[in-house]
Amino acid sequence: KNEVEQSPQNLTAQEGEFITINCSYSVGISALHWLQQHPGGGIVSLFMLSSGKKKHGRLIATINIQEKHSSLHITASHPRDSAVYICAVSGFQGAQKLVFGQGTRLTINP
Amino acid sequence: EPEVTQTPSHQVTQMGQEVILRCVPISNHLYFYWYRQILGQKVEFLVSFYNNEISEKSEIFDDQFSVERPDGSNFTLKIRSTKLEDSAMYFCASTRDRNRDEQFFGPGTRLTVL
Repeated sequence: KNEVEQSPQNLTAQEGEFITINCSYSVGISALHWLQQHPGGGIVSLFMLSSGKKKHGRLIATINIQEKHSSLHITASHPRDSAVYICAVSGFQGAQKLVFGQGTRLTINP
Repeated sequence: EPEVTQTPSHQVTQMGQEVILRCVPISNHLYFYWYRQILGQKVEFLVSFYNNEISEKSEIFDDQFSVERPDGSNFTLKIRSTKLEDSAMYFCASTRDRNRDEQFFGPGTRLTVL
């Protein structure tokens, strides 16, 4: 069983649409991370959160600890947002390594 | 802005050869990690390193793998005898405070084993 599940696996939308990517995890964690992976392969950390909500520009991340669920929202999406968005958790079984989800491939069409 | 760097960006090697992947973490960071991503699959943890020793390793990180921080700036991953299934993108990451801070990733080294 995967510790971290993301949905959807693929998402295609039109420029300007509001995007939501979901992440569920099955075990206790200390933090949840949202990362972005561009076609070239590089990984960039977007958010690290352990409760509540964080906002950075057009990106918003929320987490519900009781439900073991997090969402990443993108407002006013743009083609440059096209990337793979990855949810990862740390603190699983007391360790601080990241345990990754499969990623969500987002394509924003102009 | 400080960043994690990795060299080489792409390494091609023959099966059975030794490879060394190099990383320079951000200078004031204390915790270092290697992850790998086989093409089309999710990113997997290999090993974490703190205070000049391995703090955790995965089942993937068998006797063929080793890490070291030889000079206080470089952080290396060595694969002693590469196998075809070692072909992957290898990412180095570092963080200052593993409990409070995000991990910063390098651009990755694509390893191709022929």
